[in-house]
Amino acid sequence: TQLLEQSPQFLSIQEGENLTVYCNSSSVFSSLQWYRQEPGEGPVLLVTVVTGGEVKKLKRLTFQFGDARKDSSLHITAAQPGDTGLYLCASLGNAGNMLTFGGGTRLMVKP
Amino acid sequence: NAGVTQTPKFRILKIGQSMTLQCTQDMNHNYMYWYRQDPGMGLKLIYYSVGAGITDKGEVPNGYNVSRSTTEDFPLRLELAAPSQTSVYFCASSPDPIGEAFFGQGTRLTVV
Repeated sequence: TQLLEQSPQFLSIQEGENLTVYCNSSSVFSSLQWYRQEPGEGPVLLVTVVTGGEVKKLKRLTFQFGDARKDSSLHITAAQPGDTGLYLCASLGNAGNMLTFGGGTRLMVKP
Repeated sequence: NAGVTQTPKFRILKIGQSMTLQCTQDMNHNYMYWYRQDPGMGLKLIYYSVGAGITDKGEVPNGYNVSRSTTEDFPLRLELAAPSQTSVYFCASSPDPIGEAFFGQGTRLTVV
């Protein structure tokens, strides 16, 4: 099983600050997804990255896939309280069928 | 469009009891997954299925069983409930391995 490590585990910041969270693996990702989960809800997909070096933007969120496809980052610019939630990265296992998740980064943005 | 529907939303079980968590999707997705999420943690894969009649173990399958007799339904069975199975359980489906996974609302299970 591909082990996905996310850092930091917890992040508490003030509204307007920038932040970056990371997802790393010792093996190569075939593809990588980022999800956000709000309390009491299931995760919702933010983005899928497939190509090494790929950068995708979703409003104030910028997703980067490492050149070697072993790491990914999520950068949020000018964080808002509505960004509060659990950010999860996910990838397929070695067999290519199992969608497994990292431990998540719990973000709190204070007004 | 209902998406992925899980029932029940909440359940309290006594140690040793059994129950089935139901999951139904109406998107004709081949891939379905069951995860558990402990407080403050990420999701751990219990079982998954790539199509009707095909199931396979995930990261934490012990104490659980599944079946996939139809494309729509993927029930999760707990035979002898233990306190360690207290968790929130999520079912998800996707059209293919790389596609977006759509999640249900979750089932909060407490074993006492």
